[in-house]
Amino acid sequence: AQKITQTQPGMFVQEKEAVTLDCTYDTSDQSYGLFWYKQPSSGEMIFLIYQGSYDEQNATEGRYSLNFQKARKSANLVISASQLGDSAMYFCAMRDIASGYSTLTFGKGTMLLVSP
Amino acid sequence: NAGVTQTPKFQVLKTGQSMTLQCAQDMNHEYMSWYRQDPGMGLRLIHYSVGAGITDQGEVPNGYNVSRSTTEDFPLRLLSAAPSQTSVYFCASSYSGGDGETQYFGPGTRLLVL
Repeated sequence: AQKITQTQPGMFVQEKEAVTLDCTYDTSDQSYGLFWYKQPSSGEMIFLIYQGSYDEQNATEGRYSLNFQKARKSANLVISASQLGDSAMYFCAMRDIASGYSTLTFGKGTMLLVSP
Repeated sequence: NAGVTQTPKFQVLKTGQSMTLQCAQDMNHEYMSWYRQDPGMGLRLIHYSVGAGITDQGEVPNGYNVSRSTTEDFPLRLLSAAPSQTSVYFCASSYSGGDGETQYFGPGTRLLVL
C-alpha cells in the first residue's frame, strides 16, 4: 500500500525567510505523481505543485519548488521568501494506484505559521 | 465554469438521521471522489467513481453510500448518521490521461452529528 509521511506537525518561520516542509513516500509503483496542496484557514484546498517520478528536473511554481530525491523517496516543498499569507496547512499527496490513479493518498499535513 | 460545487456548506444532524451531501462539477471530468478530513488525519478517501455508473470504496466507506448516474453529479449519502461522522467532507474531480492531472476540490461541507 502507498503511504505519505509528513513528520512535522507544525513549523514556524519568519517573514521573508525560506522554509522546507518534509514529505516522504512509500510506493511499489515505478511511475507515480506527487502533489502539494495548501489549505488556508478558510478551508479550501489549493493545488500548489506537481512532480512526476520520471521528471528529470525538480518542479517549480513561483516561490514554490519541490526538492525531489527519488532514491530517498522524499518530495520536500520549499517555500522561498515566506509571506504572512503562506500561513496554512500543507498536505503532501500521491496519486493512488489502487484507484487507477483517479484519487490521491494524503499525508497528515504540516501547519506552517509565518510571523512578521 | 463553476468548477466543483458542494451543498450544503454546513449541516447539523441528530444521531440516526439520514442526509445527502451534494456534489456537482461542470468540467466534464470522468473521475469524482469523496474525502473526509478529521483533525490530525489528513484527507481520507471514502468513495470514488471513474465514470457514470461506476463506483468503488475507498479507505473509510462504512456508513456512506454513493451512486453516479451522470458525469456531473456524485452525491454522498449518510444512511444513519453517527457522531463519528462529524467531519469536513470534500468532493473532488479530475480527468484521466496525462501527467500532473490535479484534483479539483469543492469548498467542503462541515457536518456535525449530535
